[in-house]
Amino acid sequence: KQEVTQIPAALSVPEGENLVLNCSFTDSAIYNLQWFRQDPGKGLTSLLLIQSSQREQTSGRLNASLDKSSGRSTLYIAASQPGDSATYLCAVTISQGGSEKLVFGKGTKLTVNP
Amino acid sequence: NAGVTQTPKFQVLKTGQSMTLQCAQDMNHEYMSWYRQDPGMGLRLIHYSVGAGITDQGEVPNGYNVSRSTTEDFPLRLLSAAPSQTSVYFCASSRQGRGWDNQPQHFGDGTRLSIL
Repeated sequence: KQEVTQIPAALSVPEGENLVLNCSFTDSAIYNLQWFRQDPGKGLTSLLLIQSSQREQTSGRLNASLDKSSGRSTLYIAASQPGDSATYLCAVTISQGGSEKLVFGKGTKLTVNP
Repeated sequence: NAGVTQTPKFQVLKTGQSMTLQCAQDMNHEYMSWYRQDPGMGLRLIHYSVGAGITDQGEVPNGYNVSRSTTEDFPLRLLSAAPSQTSVYFCASSRQGRGWDNQPQHFGDGTRLSIL
C-alpha cells in the first residue's frame, strides 16, 4: 500500500530564509507527484506537478524535485515571505482498480515570521 | 470561471439525519472525487467518478453514496449521519489523464460538517 510521509509536521522560519519541505513515498510506481498549498479554512491549491519522467518543476520562488527511485521529493521555497504561511501537502498519483488516485501526505504547516 | 463550487460551506446535523453535499465544476472535467480531511489522518478518498454514469469507491466509502448524472455535478449523500462523519469534506476535479499526462487537481473550498 502506498504511503506518503511529510517531515517535519510543522516548521517556523524567519522571513527571507530559504527552506526545504520533504516528502517521501513507499512505492515508486507513481504517475506523478503534486505539491499543494492549503490556507486555513480553504481548499487545496495545486502548486507544482511533476510527471514521473521529470526531475523537477519550477514556478516563481518554488522549485520541486522528484527522485522516484529513492521515493523522495522536495519543495524548495526561496526568500520566504509571511504570505507563504500555509500547510503544504504532497500527493502521488497511482494506478488502482483501473483508474488513477491521489494518495496524500499529512502536510507540513509552515509559518514564516516577519 | 468558478472552478469547483461546494455547498453548503457549513452544516450541523443530528445523528441519523441524511443530507446531500453538493459539488459542481464548470471546467468540463471528466474526473471528480470526494475526500474527507480529519486531524492527524490527512485527506482520504471517499468516492470518485471518471465520467457521467461511472462511480467507484475510494478508501473510506461506508456511509456515503454518490451518483454522477452529469459531467458538472457530483453530489455526496450521507445516508444516516453518525458523529464519526464529522469532518471537512472536499470535492476535486481534473481532466482525465492517461497517467503520463495527468492534469492538476482543482479543489473546492470544502464543507465543514458537524454531527451531534
